[in-house]
Amino acid sequence: KQEVTQIPAALSVPEGENLVLNCSFTDSAIYNLQWFRQDPGKGLTSLLLIQSSQREQTSGRLNASLDKSSGRSTLYIAASQPGDSATYLCAVVTGANNLFFGTGTRLTVIP
Amino acid sequence: EPEVTQTPSHQVTQMGQEVILRCVPISNHLYFYWYRQILGQKVEFLVSFYNNEISEKSEIFDDQFSVERPDGSNFTLKIRSTKLEDSAMYFCASSQQGATNTEAFFGQGTRLTVV
Repeated sequence: KQEVTQIPAALSVPEGENLVLNCSFTDSAIYNLQWFRQDPGKGLTSLLLIQSSQREQTSGRLNASLDKSSGRSTLYIAASQPGDSATYLCAVVTGANNLFFGTGTRLTVIP
Repeated sequence: EPEVTQTPSHQVTQMGQEVILRCVPISNHLYFYWYRQILGQKVEFLVSFYNNEISEKSEIFDDQFSVERPDGSNFTLKIRSTKLEDSAMYFCASSQQGATNTEAFFGQGTRLTVV
């Protein structure tokens, strides 16, 4: 059964710092991986989708990489801002038509 | 920008009562999903729906749950007889094609509290 883990569980950084969030998954037979942002008590906002054939995707200050064979993905956030404070979730799609979510990393960017 | 909308945002119900959670997926999407998140836990898959029928469901989605697309726009989740452990945030999502191919977009969620 697919297990998705995110480390660290929580992270605090000063504004302006670059940071990396990690996601690992146990079954490398994935179709794609998606990164989401969740604000407290709110829904999930899709940030990036990486297909299994891709190595990375970029959107603005965000860059996500995927190493399928080692079961890892990273989300790089450049020049962090207080508005980036949220919980970041990664999720993978395997054979079934649904997402397996990670435990999340709660990010706090300190002004 | 198109978005998935869910109503109500909050629902409080007594144990044993039926609840219906409503969702309007993005209009040109063909795949619809329900997920839930118990407070402090992971987001969990419940069910996916395509071509007017369930395509996948998890162990959580037992006989107490049902889904329906009653018209061309709404997608509903019904819980027949709610239990305390059904208290959670319920998310609706949709995608243009299946989750294996395309990005899934989520609604803002319905917080269900069973008392």
